[in-house]
Amino acid sequence: GAGVSQSPSNKVTEKGKDVELRCDPISGHTALYWYRQRLGQGLEFLIYFQGNSAPDKSGLPSDRFSAERTGESVSTLTIQRTQQEDSAVYLCASSRAQLLNTGELFFGEGSRLTVL
Amino acid sequence: EDQVTQSPEALRLQEGESSSLNCSYTVSGLRGLFWYRQDPGKGPEFLFTLYSAGEEKEKERLKATLTKKESFLHITAPKPEDSATYLCAVQADSNYQLIWGAGTKLIIKP
Repeated sequence: GAGVSQSPSNKVTEKGKDVELRCDPISGHTALYWYRQRLGQGLEFLIYFQGNSAPDKSGLPSDRFSAERTGESVSTLTIQRTQQEDSAVYLCASSRAQLLNTGELFFGEGSRLTVL
Repeated sequence: EDQVTQSPEALRLQEGESSSLNCSYTVSGLRGLFWYRQDPGKGPEFLFTLYSAGEEKEKERLKATLTKKESFLHITAPKPEDSATYLCAVQADSNYQLIWGAGTKLIIKP
């Protein structure tokens, strides 16, 4: 597609369950970012991929969070044993290269996660 | 610590009533400051990049300006379709990551 695609758009789960969120970036974009957005707060960086490698995982809040990217394309963010504080919108963004000159990231519409 | 603060949190204007949004930042060497627009249920959409104090960028009814401590997003004669949350982010020389503000929710009443 023409833009960044994320699925599911909405996910309601029970505390303790695992969830998997998917991001399909713009074709040819080598850099991919995951952010978390809580209501009324700024975007919180989670992880960055350059190609299939993740040189920066510093934003992952705990070892319950993991992410992978294959084929320099699709990425999945997995949250194990979900907690209520994981409830947020998870945004994926891509760019042509490591964020350098323009600051222009292309965002998906996000996956809204609600943990009951 | 690198930090971005946006004010006000929310701003309600009548259609045609011009105003400004503020983004104050502290960063150890500014590589760039970025403005994004976010509509409800959507991801942020890129608007502008500013690199150095004194720089200005314009797009339709929006103009972004930059000083050494803050940026303003001026909106002239806004229309209801300008209603959105406007996000500011900075990138430090020492780090490729963006540091984001919490945003200003702008509501333009017809």
